[in-house]
Amino acid sequence: NAGVTQTPKFQVLKTGQSMTLQCAQDMNHNSMYWYRQDPGMGLRLIYYSASEGTTDKGEVPNGYNVSRLNKREFSLRLESAAPSQTSVYFCASSGVNNRGSTFGSGTRLTVV
Amino acid sequence: AQSVTQPDIHITVSEGASLELRCNYSYGATPYLFWYVQSPGQGLQLLLKYFSGDTLVQGIKGFEAEFKRSQSSFNLRKPSVHWSDAAEYFCAVGGDRRGSTLGRLYFGRGTQLTVWP
Repeated sequence: NAGVTQTPKFQVLKTGQSMTLQCAQDMNHNSMYWYRQDPGMGLRLIYYSASEGTTDKGEVPNGYNVSRLNKREFSLRLESAAPSQTSVYFCASSGVNNRGSTFGSGTRLTVV
Repeated sequence: AQSVTQPDIHITVSEGASLELRCNYSYGATPYLFWYVQSPGQGLQLLLKYFSGDTLVQGIKGFEAEFKRSQSSFNLRKPSVHWSDAAEYFCAVGGDRRGSTLGRLYFGRGTQLTVWP
């Protein structure tokens, strides 16, 4: 099925460990996004990539890095995980007209 | 700066009753507006969206929303709620219409809907 695929779905890390969240879309969308969702906070933008080869910070970029590997893939890296990064992470993409984003099913990350 | 306010954190309605979820936004120009629904443990599904034209927008699952510029509101409505509508609902406003930030969204904090049988 066409859409946004995120891996892994669940992950537990120890403080200080690193990991990369993977995201791929098969809708030929130009723009991709990483959000985090925390209880009572809605979704907040971490980083986005308006097009292949570009990335920009969102509202809450500290502690994260991203790579737009190609048009399909946009990864999010935690270099040194902290308990404050315990959250649900969503990847999304949008097309040329940007008329609404399509979201992945999320990655639930726990940092202990 | 863009922002979205959903005044109601939690709403409870009886099955078959009507529903209205409130959303107010702050935006410097004509906004793009969205409602998303999230079931437990799931991702976000787009219910409906407004870009221009008719201010009453129809969406999936029998939902509709009305854009009122004078009130900076985009409230979501449904005439008769079903138990399966129990979920969390998010209102969002799109970024600047020009340039590369067009697709990024600013979300409200969500409204949790409980449906009594």
